[in-house]
Amino acid sequence: ELKVEQNPLFLSMQEGKNYTIYCNYSTTSDRLYWYRQDPGKSLESLFVLLSNGAVKQEGRLMASLDTKARLSTLHITAAVHDLSATYFCAVDSYYGGSQGNLIFGKGTKLSVKP
Amino acid sequence: EAGVAQSPRYKIIEKRQSVAFWCNPISGHATLYWYQQILGQGPKLLIQFQNNGVVDDSQLPKDRFSAERLKGVDSTLKIQPAKLEDSAVYLCASSPREGGTGANVLTFGAGSRLTVL
Repeated sequence: ELKVEQNPLFLSMQEGKNYTIYCNYSTTSDRLYWYRQDPGKSLESLFVLLSNGAVKQEGRLMASLDTKARLSTLHITAAVHDLSATYFCAVDSYYGGSQGNLIFGKGTKLSVKP
Repeated sequence: EAGVAQSPRYKIIEKRQSVAFWCNPISGHATLYWYQQILGQGPKLLIQFQNNGVVDDSQLPKDRFSAERLKGVDSTLKIQPAKLEDSAVYLCASSPREGGTGANVLTFGAGSRLTVL
């Protein structure tokens, strides 16, 4: 059974600081997704990582995937208040021909304070 | 492109009552998902449809939950009878992927928030 673990689950940062959110998963997969959820809102796709070594960047966020270590990271550079949200990683359970679906971690609630 | 439509947005019922949620996916998307998101947790898959067939319903509590996808487009999720622990946001998502290859980016609807008293 595929399990996805994120840490930390809660993160309080000061504006301007850097930090990294980690996402570990338990079985082989080469497809990982990051989503953002604002309070009371639905999930918005941020990054799609489809191969070992994939790196994607958008503004102050950068995501990477290491399929051998079964680890993805979401790095925040010079945080700003607008980044406050809950971030989820999700692993595609497709591998070896199954239909697959997304298995989500518990999320990391990020709060950026001035 | 219109997004994933869900209704109702909010529903409050008493335990043992029934409730139904409706979802209209993005036009042309073959795969439709219902996820349950309990407060403070990540979404958990309840059921996955490809066109009008069920692909995965292994985590659907079938004694009380049912879902259908008529003509491979709209879908309805029903809970009968509801329990207190069913209080959650029910998220519908769709994706264009029909097979296992390629990216599977899900587009989520706004969700239906259920409170069971």
